[in-house]
Amino acid sequence: GAVVSQHPSRVICKSGTSVKIECRSLDFQATTMFWYRQFPKKSLMLMATSNEGSKATYEQGVEKDKFLINHASLTLSTLTVTSAHPEDSSFYICSASRLAGGLVRTDTQYFGPGTRLTVL
Amino acid sequence: KQEVTQIPAALSVPEGENLVLNCSFTDSAIYNLQWFRQDPGKGLTSLLLIQSSQREQTSGRLNASLDKSSGRSTLYIAASQPGDSATYLCAVSNQGGKLIFGQGTELSVKP
Repeated sequence: GAVVSQHPSRVICKSGTSVKIECRSLDFQATTMFWYRQFPKKSLMLMATSNEGSKATYEQGVEKDKFLINHASLTLSTLTVTSAHPEDSSFYICSASRLAGGLVRTDTQYFGPGTRLTVL
Repeated sequence: KQEVTQIPAALSVPEGENLVLNCSFTDSAIYNLQWFRQDPGKGLTSLLLIQSSQREQTSGRLNASLDKSSGRSTLYIAASQPGDSATYLCAVSNQGGKLIFGQGTELSVKP
């Protein structure tokens, strides 16, 4: 149990276009999903926290109009990088934590496999 | 502001050696601490989670300790194998569930 998927696994786009990344919890309901960004050889940086049905909470320095997050259901959150630029190229990872009840731990974030974004 | 530091940044050992990875954090008011493994270009795999009230957790050849008062954790890997080669990340969380990550230790185990 506790599988999180991301789609696409890698995407290449032209500068100025928008890219949507999906994060799904496949076998549990996720109250909260987190979006991280990771630069090469660097740590994960939390970008925002999203709760189902409410607006995402963005970390300091993250532009909410640039990185649009939607958490429309208990199993799906999306991150849209709008008007992408080469500096947005990065590895984006989501994680999900679950509602109480069941075998999946509430105190653990389950991570997706990541999406490699390259903006030309 | 919580900061997490991992030492060393990279480590290369021959197969069979026991090794210790270090993690330190500046604010001891944590909810839990986790150790993750990340293979190149991949997501994270949770290895061990230590609650703030615990001092250690063990899973197979892995043992993680936590000294909250001094802001330190160690990950001990016994009898290392080439398959252990990966980046190991330490992260602390507050009660809201936010994870603050260290920069990782890149481990290479040579056959």
